[in-house]
Amino acid sequence: DTAVSQTPKYLVTQMGNDKSIKCEQNLGHDTMYWYKQDSKKFLKIMFSYNNKELIINETVPNRFSPKSPDKAHLNLHINSLELGDSAVYFCASNPSLTGFGYTFGSGTRLTVV
Amino acid sequence: QKEVEQNSGPLSVPEGAIASLNCTYSDRGSQSFFWYRQYSGKSPELIMFIYSNGDKEDGRFTAQLNKASQYVSLLIRDSQPSDSATYLCAPRLGAGGTSYGKLTFGQGTILTVHP
Repeated sequence: DTAVSQTPKYLVTQMGNDKSIKCEQNLGHDTMYWYKQDSKKFLKIMFSYNNKELIINETVPNRFSPKSPDKAHLNLHINSLELGDSAVYFCASNPSLTGFGYTFGSGTRLTVV
Repeated sequence: QKEVEQNSGPLSVPEGAIASLNCTYSDRGSQSFFWYRQYSGKSPELIMFIYSNGDKEDGRFTAQLNKASQYVSLLIRDSQPSDSATYLCAPRLGAGGTSYGKLTFGQGTILTVHP
């Protein structure tokens, strides 16, 4: 049983399209995150939710909109995709804000053509 | 100045040697420090964390922290080819303020252990 699961694993789409990535954790954790890893392997935080409440919203274009229907799920919707959005997107969860260490999902490789 | 700096490498060591991975951070408010390992095409996995000055050992891994120098390192003893991966350093601020305990990652050091 995968602790943090993301779907889809791969996503290839054209510029201008809208797409969503889903994340679910079965660890009972309170806090979830979206991170973006670019081609240089740099992992940068995008959003964080704690008990369904948005607590971190880094400088991300407003084409990106997270949604957390409950504390086990965190989805990412991206409007009007651009070439520069191509990256690997990781979901992660943490027992709490001060929990020791994230558990990452397997990642979604997004390619915009 | 970058928030978290790591030598991107690649760092190449022979099998059985000690690999030393270094990380410096800029925010003195950082309270705990995490090391993640990421194999190519995989997600990061936590291997060590440390929050007190000094050394912390776990098997072949030793994390070292010096808050006064804003420096954290990871030593891997008896390096194996299976240790070949990218190692990410991630300091964390406290849960208060606007950081909400988020991890800020360095760009990672690529380690190659050759037989």
